[in-house]
Amino acid sequence: KAGVTQTPRYLIKTRGQQVTLSCSPISGHRSVSWYQQTPGQGLQFLFEYFSETQRNKGNFPGRFSGRQFSNSRSEMNVSTLELGDSALYLCASSLSAANYGYTFGSGTRLTVV
Amino acid sequence: GDSVTQMEGPVTLSEEAFLTINCTYTATGYPSLFWYVQYPGEGLQLLLKATKADDKGSNKGFEATYRKETTSFHLEKGSVQVSDSAVYFCALSESGGYQKVTFGTGTKLQVIP
Repeated sequence: KAGVTQTPRYLIKTRGQQVTLSCSPISGHRSVSWYQQTPGQGLQFLFEYFSETQRNKGNFPGRFSGRQFSNSRSEMNVSTLELGDSALYLCASSLSAANYGYTFGSGTRLTVV
Repeated sequence: GDSVTQMEGPVTLSEEAFLTINCTYTATGYPSLFWYVQYPGEGLQLLLKATKADDKGSNKGFEATYRKETTSFHLEKGSVQVSDSAVYFCALSESGGYQKVTFGTGTKLQVIP
């Protein structure tokens, strides 16, 4: 059974650019959540999608957006990149977070220079 | 709102020592509780879970018991190995509604031979 796949694994971007990260969940999982992980702030919740609808949103500026497609694959986009956006971005999918927990991908390491 | 507090790290132990990582939570209702582990350069992996009071989750020699009276979910292992060196995250998920997941700040464990 394939796990959660995130692409790309590593990314280097320049300030002001935009970036799109991709996440393919485990087959059958309709919920996809995104987290930002940094040494200083730990794991910060970005948003959660379920059946193409955003169900939950964290406290991030509007530069951070996402979407989910009919096959449950999800993308997140960050526009006008800032140095502080450098982080590990983690995607997690689940059948039911409360009953089964999350399955995480390996993450995308974004470096903004 | 919901919150998870776990002990500050890093925790350094000798191989075969006993491990306890403390975790307490604040939540309305009856959340599910989880421990996740993150190895260097990887995403988080679900280690164990408990979905109701007095449940004991266990996996790979690790155990944690859902204590509603003390709002705690402490992680224990009787004899740690070097390969257990990682960051451990305690988390809770609301049981209803959007099943939002709240993570603790993580505790780094280093096991020395």
